[in-house]
Amino acid sequence: DTEVTQTPKHLVMGMTNKKSLKCEQHMGHRAMYWYKQKAKKPPELMFVYSYEKLSINESVPSRFSPECPNSSLLNLHLHALQPEDSALYLCASSHLPETGNSPLHFGNGTRLTVT
Amino acid sequence: DQQVKQNSPSLSVQEGRISILNCDYTNSMFDYFLWYKKYPAEGPTFLISISSIKDKNEDGRFTVFLNKSAKHLSLHIVPSQPGDSAVYFCAAWNYGGSQGNLIFGKGTKLSVKP
Repeated sequence: DTEVTQTPKHLVMGMTNKKSLKCEQHMGHRAMYWYKQKAKKPPELMFVYSYEKLSINESVPSRFSPECPNSSLLNLHLHALQPEDSALYLCASSHLPETGNSPLHFGNGTRLTVT
Repeated sequence: DQQVKQNSPSLSVQEGRISILNCDYTNSMFDYFLWYKKYPAEGPTFLISISSIKDKNEDGRFTVFLNKSAKHLSLHIVPSQPGDSAVYFCAAWNYGGSQGNLIFGKGTKLSVKP
């Protein structure tokens, strides 16, 4: 079982909908990440939060809006998406680099389909 | 420009034999490398890592070798088992100030045949 929990597992939404993806971890990690993975491609970084503050935004369109309400939760708010945004959205967490090298722990992802 | 490269999209190995997955990187500033395994419909699972101060790290059936001068690392799985069939991603930790992230290769699909 993964220690990073993502909900929902699957999501189908229209281009005018507003939806949110949720991620939760209880490993005491203070860094949390959103990655996007298209079929047969590697995961690509979208956002990084450190101490609940946005520290990296990889030029992601504003129709994706991240939020980190507390050290255990990470949300990704979706609005006015395009069909090409259909992908697997992965959440991950880790200790901060300042504490030493640490792997990222991934959730099982949300499979998003935009119609 | 790809900074982490896995040039073999797929690899097929007989059960019980050794699987060798290769990875090359271009950025000499990378100093922490990881291997992840991914099954369909699941997130990547961390397997093993290596810091640049080492040239080998072993964990059970999995061994990672690092050749810094060649900017090359490899993952050895021995003996290979059918349950090892998955996509394997090589990743490098990319530091950016006080924070960083993982940069992944494109992955190698390993098939272990009974």
